[in-house]
Amino acid sequence: GQQVQQSPASLVLQEGENAELQCNFSTSLNSMQWFYQRPGGSLVSLFYNPSGTKHSGRLTSTTVIKERRSSLHISSSQTTDSGTYLCASDTNAYKVIFGKGTHLHVLP
Amino acid sequence: GALVYQYPRRTICKSGTSMRMECQAVGFQATSVAWYRQSPQKTFELIALSTVNSAIKYEQNFTQEKFPISHPNLSFSSMTVLNAYLEDRGLYLCGAGTGGNSGNTLYFGEGSRLIVV
Repeated sequence: GQQVQQSPASLVLQEGENAELQCNFSTSLNSMQWFYQRPGGSLVSLFYNPSGTKHSGRLTSTTVIKERRSSLHISSSQTTDSGTYLCASDTNAYKVIFGKGTHLHVLP
Repeated sequence: GALVYQYPRRTICKSGTSMRMECQAVGFQATSVAWYRQSPQKTFELIALSTVNSAIKYEQNFTQEKFPISHPNLSFSSMTVLNAYLEDRGLYLCGAGTGGNSGNTLYFGEGSRLIVV
């Protein structure tokens, strides 16, 4: 079936280090979204990125549709970046599938 | 801007009782609404997708009898968890989409957390 695979499952960094999160898809995708899930569970939309590279502050998202992958780069990580990062893809009209998430822990 | 309000944020219900949650789209027309569940320690699973002018489509392991959904207009949807038991606990999320040429951006609510006791 359609799958979204995220890696790594968890990541521990020292504050100031960079993080690279990956997302791969088993079928062709229409778009890619990256979310940060708050401890209470709600989602913060980081990027809607069907293709190419997008920047937002210390965050960069790059999607390469042909290779069915997307990445989220966090530069100069801070302790407040700790949490769960989810990628999601809509593989056909309106149906969005989530990855299992990357649990990021940034140490002071 | 586009916003999705979801409520209640949290419900504690007794085993065997039901819980209804609602999703309100503001600032756009929600031609599609997707309901998800995140069980403890898991990612979000799609329960069902409701698209205007189409029948509501449920994913495997989820049924209309257990999770009836209403999508009466382009700004509102509700879903009920009937006869909730421990395995139904988790965070329920609605995502409302507009589709269109720019692709399908889903705007998500804050989630409704179901605790079953």
